[in-house]
Amino acid sequence: GQQLNQSPQSMFIQEGEDVSMNCTSSSIFNTWLWYKQDPGEGPVLLIALYKAGELTSNGRLTAQFGITRKDSFLNISASIPSDVGIYFCAGQIGGSQGNLIFGKGTKLSVKP
Amino acid sequence: DAMVIQNPRYQVTQFGKPVTLSCSQTLNHNVMYWYQQKSSQAPKLLFHYYDKDFNNEADTPDNFQSRRPNTSFCFLDIRSPGLGDAAMYLCATSRRGFGYTFGSGTRLTVV
Repeated sequence: GQQLNQSPQSMFIQEGEDVSMNCTSSSIFNTWLWYKQDPGEGPVLLIALYKAGELTSNGRLTAQFGITRKDSFLNISASIPSDVGIYFCAGQIGGSQGNLIFGKGTKLSVKP
Repeated sequence: DAMVIQNPRYQVTQFGKPVTLSCSQTLNHNVMYWYQQKSSQAPKLLFHYYDKDFNNEADTPDNFQSRRPNTSFCFLDIRSPGLGDAAMYLCATSRRGFGYTFGSGTRLTVV
């Protein structure tokens, strides 16, 4: 079945640093989604990517849909303490059902 | 604001005692999903309703059932909860696979 390899598994950074995480797969996806999950909460959508090569920003966040459609990355610039949480990538094959395949998450810790 | 609402946020149940978790949505999305998320793991899809059609994942235990009485509501029934069923249960919705939106989850504890 499809699998997403998300890395790194965890990151410890200083406030103000930039962060980069990525997801790769052996399968082709039609959509890439990036979510942030705070403890005890559901995932919240950060960025959705629908076209190969697409580069999209949301404030300090930037994500790209890889040209091969098998990978995506998320960058966070000038990190702040509230960026702490777990970031998940999710790929979607598309079609009428469109179930998500999740990466295992990247746990981000930010030192003030 | 249109949203996905899960009740309760925290549920404690006894080993073997049936429990029901609920999800409602004001997004008018036609697809509703139930995910199980254990600590430090990614959400795992249990099943979903596409309109009224129920779609079970192959590895979802029979202990887990679901009902969708109308477009807005979906329930997760755990017939005989075991200690291994303690987890966060997430409801999500989409419109034909687009606009995926998650609720805040229900944290289930089995004692």
